[in-house]
Amino acid sequence: TQLLEQSPQFLSIQEGENLTVYCNSSSVFSSLQWYRQEPGEGPVLLVTVVTGGEVKKLKRLTFQFGDARKDSSLHITAAQPGDTGLYLCAGATTSGTYKYIFGTGTRLKVLA
Amino acid sequence: DAGVIQSPRHEVTEMGQEVTLRCKPISGHNSLFWYRQTMMRGLELLIYFNNNVPIDDSGMPEDRFSAKMPNASFSTLKIQPSEPRDSAVYFCASSLRVTGNTIYFGEGSWLTVV
Repeated sequence: TQLLEQSPQFLSIQEGENLTVYCNSSSVFSSLQWYRQEPGEGPVLLVTVVTGGEVKKLKRLTFQFGDARKDSSLHITAAQPGDTGLYLCAGATTSGTYKYIFGTGTRLKVLA
Repeated sequence: DAGVIQSPRHEVTEMGQEVTLRCKPISGHNSLFWYRQTMMRGLELLIYFNNNVPIDDSGMPEDRFSAKMPNASFSTLKIQPSEPRDSAVYFCASSLRVTGNTIYFGEGSWLTVV
């Protein structure tokens, strides 16, 4: 069974602080995605990383895919209350079935 | 453009009753996923269809759960009989069958079995 472990599970920080969320697995993924989910809604895609070592930036968010394509990180600079939500990583298996396995999730709260 | 449409949004049912959840994927998408989300277990993949054919149902918890996709624009997830432990948010999602493509989620069906 392929598992994606995220850490931390919960994070409460003040506006303006920086934070990093981690997504780790013992399995190799062909691609990895990060989603954000707000209460009462489905997850919404933030970014897809495909190449080992790839770094992508989305405004104040920086995403990195590990060299071995087994792990990823999400770094938020100067967090804002609008960043509050559940952050999920999702790995696509290499078996060709395009099945996406979601991580355990990190629940972020940014206080004004 | 319409996104993934799920119904019902909320359902409360008694233990033992049959529950049917419905999904209309985004037009043109050829992959459809059913996920279940709970606080304890997170977002779990139940079943995955490609071109209306079930590809992987290894996540379906037991025989009480069944899913069908009779055509490209409609899918159902049925629970019969329902149990309190089935209470969760059930998400339908669709995508194009290309690695790295976006999975688009519906707003979810909130199921409570009492």
